[in-house]
Amino acid sequence: TQLLEQSPQFLSIQEGENLTVYCNSSSVFSSLQWYRQEPGEGPVLLVTVVTGGEVKKLKRLTFQFGDARKDSSLHITAAQPGDTGLYLCAGAKGNQGGKLIFGQGTELSVKP
Amino acid sequence: KAGVTQTPRYLIKTRGQQVTLSCSPISGHRSVSWYQQTPGQGLQFLFEYFSETQRNKGNFPGRFSGRQFSNSRSEMNVSTLELGDSALYLCASSHGHTQYFGPGTRLTVL
Repeated sequence: TQLLEQSPQFLSIQEGENLTVYCNSSSVFSSLQWYRQEPGEGPVLLVTVVTGGEVKKLKRLTFQFGDARKDSSLHITAAQPGDTGLYLCAGAKGNQGGKLIFGQGTELSVKP
Repeated sequence: KAGVTQTPRYLIKTRGQQVTLSCSPISGHRSVSWYQQTPGQGLQFLFEYFSETQRNKGNFPGRFSGRQFSNSRSEMNVSTLELGDSALYLCASSHGHTQYFGPGTRLTVL
């Protein structure tokens, strides 16, 4: 059973376009993290959100945690080829911060 | 601070053999978690160690085991390797809510 549904799985866009990746669940998470992973490397943390309704901005990336802490989104404005990679959302439940539940990932390709 | 380090980066083994992977967490981090990443299943939690004790365990067979030392360094062991164990094994150390991942060990079982 996949507790975190991430969509879309694949996204191919042109440089300059905007995009949104969604991460949904029927479960409540105490925190949610977004990572970006390059082939053959470990995931690199982008952001951690812990408060329902929280919005965090990181340059052209905007992260939102749902009010009920069951869903999250990642919005990228004016995508660049350097944004290409695998984006992963991961949630932690209760005090189990050391056990992350991952979504399936979104493979993003930004063409120049 | 130095990041999470994992050794070796690449490993090739044959079916039936066993393997030990090593992870050094970020200095000051006491929690170390292990994950298996495959194209079909994505990232799946194996286990977490905190202060030398296993705190959480995922749904993997007993062939997968781990331990943590007093300096927080951790090892995971896979015995009687199967072809399906081929994967990227990732270690993460955490402080509070956030986990920081190492570069992973790519294990290929022939």
